[in-house]
Amino acid sequence: DIQMTQSPSSVSASVGDRVTITCRASQGISSWLAWYQQKPGQAPKLLIYGASSLQSGVPSRFSGSGSGTDFTLTISSLQPEDFATYYCQQANSFPRTFGGGTKVEIK
Amino acid sequence: QVQLVQSGAEVKKPGASVKVSCKASGYTFTNYDINWVRQATGQGPEWMGWMNPNSGKTGYAQKFQGRFTMTRNTSISTAYMELSSLRSEDTAVYYCAREVISMDAFDIWGQGTMVTVSS
Repeated sequence: DIQMTQSPSSVSASVGDRVTITCRASQGISSWLAWYQQKPGQAPKLLIYGASSLQSGVPSRFSGSGSGTDFTLTISSLQPEDFATYYCQQANSFPRTFGGGTKVEIK
Repeated sequence: QVQLVQSGAEVKKPGASVKVSCKASGYTFTNYDINWVRQATGQGPEWMGWMNPNSGKTGYAQKFQGRFTMTRNTSISTAYMELSSLRSEDTAVYYCAREVISMDAFDIWGQGTMVTVSS
């Protein structure tokens, strides 16, 4: 199975800050990577697919980059509604696997 | 609107089975794969399996092989998952999620079904 490792596990930031989350795959997955946002008590929400394609309706302050084994999710200017936990997920092979999550907290 | 609506919370005893439904609306059910993902409290999501509702073809995570089954009823646009031989470690929220093949990502999720396994 492909292991997905996210860092940091949590980050404290202020509204307006730029936040970067990294995700590393245990083996190359090309660009088969998605990012999700999850708020307490809610299902995950798709933000990015194909490593860098923005899902319809997702604000442009979210962006994704990377290929192979190293990926990043960037929030260019953090908004109050962005405080949540973010997960990466590989779609290169079965079983699909998720990262452990990065919690973005208010500073 | 496009949505997946799941059945309600379940409480089961160890060794029992649970069956959760996922009803699709707002799109053609047979055009998109359905996946099941579970999430224990405070943990990341864990993928369990996928199904092509058109063909009925399935694929399961090896961890659940032998006690996990996905089925569907296309006449009512509903997918099901059944997990047997339940143990306390199966206590989690179970989600169904639609997969867009061109994206290889889960774009629509059900609201989740809490399954509690307790004696």
